[in-house]
Amino acid sequence: KQEVTQIPAALSVPEGENLVLNCSFTDSAIYNLQWFRQDPGKGLTSLLLIQSSQREQTSGRLNASLDKSSGRSTLYIAASQPGDSATYLCAVSSHSPVNQFYFGTGTSLTVIP
Amino acid sequence: EAQVTQNPRYLITVTGKKLTVTCSQNMNHEYMSWYRQDPGLGLRQIYYSMNVEVTDKGDVPEGYKVSRKEKRNFPLILESPSPNQTSLYFCASSSLGVGGTDTQYFGPGTRLTVL
Repeated sequence: KQEVTQIPAALSVPEGENLVLNCSFTDSAIYNLQWFRQDPGKGLTSLLLIQSSQREQTSGRLNASLDKSSGRSTLYIAASQPGDSATYLCAVSSHSPVNQFYFGTGTSLTVIP
Repeated sequence: EAQVTQNPRYLITVTGKKLTVTCSQNMNHEYMSWYRQDPGLGLRQIYYSMNVEVTDKGDVPEGYKVSRKEKRNFPLILESPSPNQTSLYFCASSSLGVGGTDTQYFGPGTRLTVL
């Protein structure tokens, strides 16, 4: 069974700092990996989706990489801002069972002004 | 506006009283899914559907039922709720391509309390 782990569970950084969030998964047979953001009491917002054939995706100050063979993904946030404070979740879509999703427990990020 | 809607947003009920949480999307997505979110356990998939009349069990299907009679709707049914089903529930949808699912869009969540 696929297991997804996110480290660290919580992270606090001063505004302006660049940071990296980590996600690891145990089964490399995936269709894709997605990073989401969740604000307190709210639903999830998709940030980036990386297909299994891709190595990275970029959107603004966010860059996500995928190393399928080693079961790792990173989310890089450049020049962090207080508005980036949220919980960041990664999820993988499996091959077997097809299109079943597995989420990590998230990294809670606080950016201090 | 592209969106996934869930109703109700909040529900308090008692053990054994059947309930349905509705989910609807307006993006013509093939794929729809239900998750529950619990502290320390993260999001876990309950059921998912890749098209009308096609449903599959996720990681934690026990105690839940779903149906997909129309493309836009994917209701979650708890026939006999128990306190361990107290949780925050999310519905999500996405399109399906050759590479599997595309970006998932999530509803706002339904907070369920079973007394």
